[in-house]
This record gives sequence, structure tokens and C-alpha cells, in this order.
Amino acid sequence: GNSVTQMEGPVTLSEEAFLTINCTYTATGYPSLFWYVQYPGEGLQLLLKATKADDKGSNKGFEATYRKETTSFHLEKGSVQVSDSAVYFCALNYGQNFVFGPGTRLSVLP
Amino acid sequence: DAGVIQSPRHEVTEMGQEVTLRCKPISGHNSLFWYRQTMMRGLELLIYFNNNVPIDDSGMPEDRFSAKMPNASFSTLKIQPSEPRDSAVYFCASSFASGNSYNEQFFGPGTRLTVL
Repeated sequence: GNSVTQMEGPVTLSEEAFLTINCTYTATGYPSLFWYVQYPGEGLQLLLKATKADDKGSNKGFEATYRKETTSFHLEKGSVQVSDSAVYFCALNYGQNFVFGPGTRLSVLP
Repeated sequence: DAGVIQSPRHEVTEMGQEVTLRCKPISGHNSLFWYRQTMMRGLELLIYFNNNVPIDDSGMPEDRFSAKMPNASFSTLKIQPSEPRDSAVYFCASSFASGNSYNEQFFGPGTRLTVL
């Protein structure tokens, strides 16, 4: 079946540090891949997406590249801010199957 | 666009009472999803609809839970009778599905349910 694995949190960084949150997936075909972000007290919001191999999704300084050879979609940001503190979810969609990872909590300290 | 609308935002009830959560999806979207989020179990898909028809309800915990989508602009999730272990944040999400493919989901703000 289809599944998503994320690095376990929490992740704690200082402001302006480099961020990587690892995500790998298992799918029977070629899924679309997503990163969602959930700020405290809110619902999930789409952060970025990629629909085919080698696509790079980007938004708000975050980037992730769809790597078919390693079945990965790692989230990166060059310089995090306190306002990036949130829970990040990796997700995939293949056909009628939509799978979310368990989420990784990020705390950014000033 | 108003986004996905959920009501109520907060609900506190006593064990044994009936609880009804409501959702209005984004206009034009043809798929609707109900999720439950807790610290222990994370985000769980309960049920989803396509064109108002339930497609997969395997995530519904037990017969106390039921969901309906009488038309394209409204859905309910009902718990009867409610129990303390149902306390969670319930999210509704909608998306547009074309053919056999679903696009990204748009989430509502959630309903925080507390069952005493």
C-alpha cells in the first residue's frame, strides 16, 4: 500500500538556521507529493506540492524536490524564522488514496 | 473565497449526548474529507465523499459515528452517544477530484470537541 514516513520530531532550531525535514514515501505508482503546515490552533494549509519526478515545489522560502530514485520529498529552508514554528506534514496522493505522514513539530527559538 | 467552513468551532458536551459537527466545503469542490486529530493518534481519516457519495468509511471508529452529505455544499459528522475518548479536533477538508485523481485538500479551522 501507499505510505509516508517522516523524521520524528520535535525539531528545535535557532533563528536563521538551516532546516531539513526528511520525508520518504512508498507508492504503487507515481503519486503527487505535498507538504502541509499546521500553525497552533489552526487547520492544515498547503505549503507546496510537486506532481512529477524532479519537480521542485517552493513557497515562503521552503523548497522540496520530488526524487523518484530515492522516493523522497525532503523539506528545506535556508533560514528559518520564529514564525515558522509549526507542525509540518508530508502527504501523497495516488488515485483515490490520500496519505498523510505523522507530522514533525518544529520550534524555532529567537 | 470563504474557504472551508466548520461549525461549531468549540463544543463541550457530556458523555452520552449526541454531537453534530457541520461542514461547508469550498464551492466547486466535489470531494469532502472528515479527519480527527489527537496527540496520541495524530491525524486520522474518518471518511470521505466524492460527489456526495461515501467512498471510504473504513476509518470511522465505530457505529456511534455517522456522516452524511445531503448535497454538494453541506456535510455532517454525528456522534451518538458521545464518549470522553471522542475528545479531539475534527477537521473537514475539501478538494476537486478529476477522473481518478485528487488535487490538494483545503482544510477548515476544525471543531474542538470535549466530552466530559
